[in-house]
Amino acid sequence: DAGVTQSPTHLIKTRGQHVTLRCSPISGHKSVSWYQQVLGQGPQFIFQYYEKEERGRGNFPDRFSARQFPNYSSELNVNALLLGDSALYLCASSPRRREVTDTQYFGPGTRLTVL
Amino acid sequence: TQLLEQSPQFLSIQEGENLTVYCNSSSVFSSLQWYRQEPGEGPVLLVTVVTGGEVKKLKRLTFQFGDARKDSSLHITAAQPGDTGLYLCAGEGNFNKFYFGSGTKLNVKP
Repeated sequence: DAGVTQSPTHLIKTRGQHVTLRCSPISGHKSVSWYQQVLGQGPQFIFQYYEKEERGRGNFPDRFSARQFPNYSSELNVNALLLGDSALYLCASSPRRREVTDTQYFGPGTRLTVL
Repeated sequence: TQLLEQSPQFLSIQEGENLTVYCNSSSVFSSLQWYRQEPGEGPVLLVTVVTGGEVKKLKRLTFQFGDARKDSSLHITAAQPGDTGLYLCAGEGNFNKFYFGSGTKLNVKP
């Protein structure tokens, strides 16, 4: 079975540009979360989506937005890029079964470099 | 500030040694997960602990969840070079939010 896939794998942008990152969850998983991981740190939670609705948001500015599609894939958009947005962006999917503690499965990430 | 504090930040040991990594918080979590991450890749789940006091074993790895569900430890017996990587703990809060520690970077030298 395919795991979580993300595209592109690497991306180079300049300050002020915008970027769209994509994620396809594991088949059957309805929840997608996005994380930002700056070099040398643990992942920081950005968003969680379930059934196309935002269910959680971390402490990120409004320049960050996301959406989930009917097939449960997701996009993360970042506008007006800053140098500090350079990071590995991780997508994680989970089945979101309410009766048990959920488990997240991570994709390989998109490495974004802002020059 | 990180909700979860991991220690040590860096650990370099010889093959065959034992080690323990700690993950501490003042918050209570409904579950706690341990991941291993290699450079340029996403974290890979090792274990999920749910019940206070729970101990889980995965070959040479032993995971323990504190009684109050605020802290956890990972013990590796007879470490091997293949254990090298970044070990992350993550606590599950409300609405499936996961709070990660900053990680412990382990290097096992042959």
